[in-house]
Amino acid sequence: DAGVIQSPRHEVTEMGQEVTLRCKPISGHNSLFWYRQTMMRGLELLIYFNNNVPIDDSGMPEDRFSAKMPNASFSTLKIQPSEPRDSAVYFCASSLLNSYEQYFGPGTRLTVT
Amino acid sequence: AQSVTQLDSQVPVFEEAPVELRCNYSSSVSVYLFWYVQYPNQGLQLLLKYLSGSTLVKGINGFEAEFNKSQTSFHLRKPSVHISDTAEYFCAVMGTGGFKTIFGAGTRLFVKA
Repeated sequence: DAGVIQSPRHEVTEMGQEVTLRCKPISGHNSLFWYRQTMMRGLELLIYFNNNVPIDDSGMPEDRFSAKMPNASFSTLKIQPSEPRDSAVYFCASSLLNSYEQYFGPGTRLTVT
Repeated sequence: AQSVTQLDSQVPVFEEAPVELRCNYSSSVSVYLFWYVQYPNQGLQLLLKYLSGSTLVKGINGFEAEFNKSQTSFHLRKPSVHISDTAEYFCAVMGTGGFKTIFGAGTRLFVKA
């Protein structure tokens, strides 16, 4: 079985550019989570979806960040405009609604110069 | 709201020695508890979880953890570590009424030959 797929694995962009991170959850999973990991702040939950509906986006740092889940097999996290402080590893995770175990993707390492 | 404190940021240990990684949590509601492991340049993967029942939980790779409600702790143990156990370990808590998982800051386990 394929696990959670994230693309790109690495992204280097200049300040002010738009960045789109992509995630394909495990087939059949109906919850999806976006996390950000930095040395300073650790692992932070940005937003999560149940059945494609955003449930809690209180972790999204500011209006520059947006996330969508147009269908059960695809989600995007967009940063526009990007800033150097957005540099981090972004993880997507998925789970079954009542299993509580999250399966993480390999992450996207974002560097904003 | 829940919070998690991992009491050690780094734990160096010799190969074949026992190890304990400490985790304390706080919550006003009942919780589910988890330990995840992150190897370099990878996403997190679940080691073990406590949902209910026996307070001693066994996980993968020979790890186990004990839920202590009175001390609000969920320490992770392994009787004999291997070089391959070198990784970062995250304790996590979820309130039983929701899906938002709060992760600790992580403990870096370094196993020396």
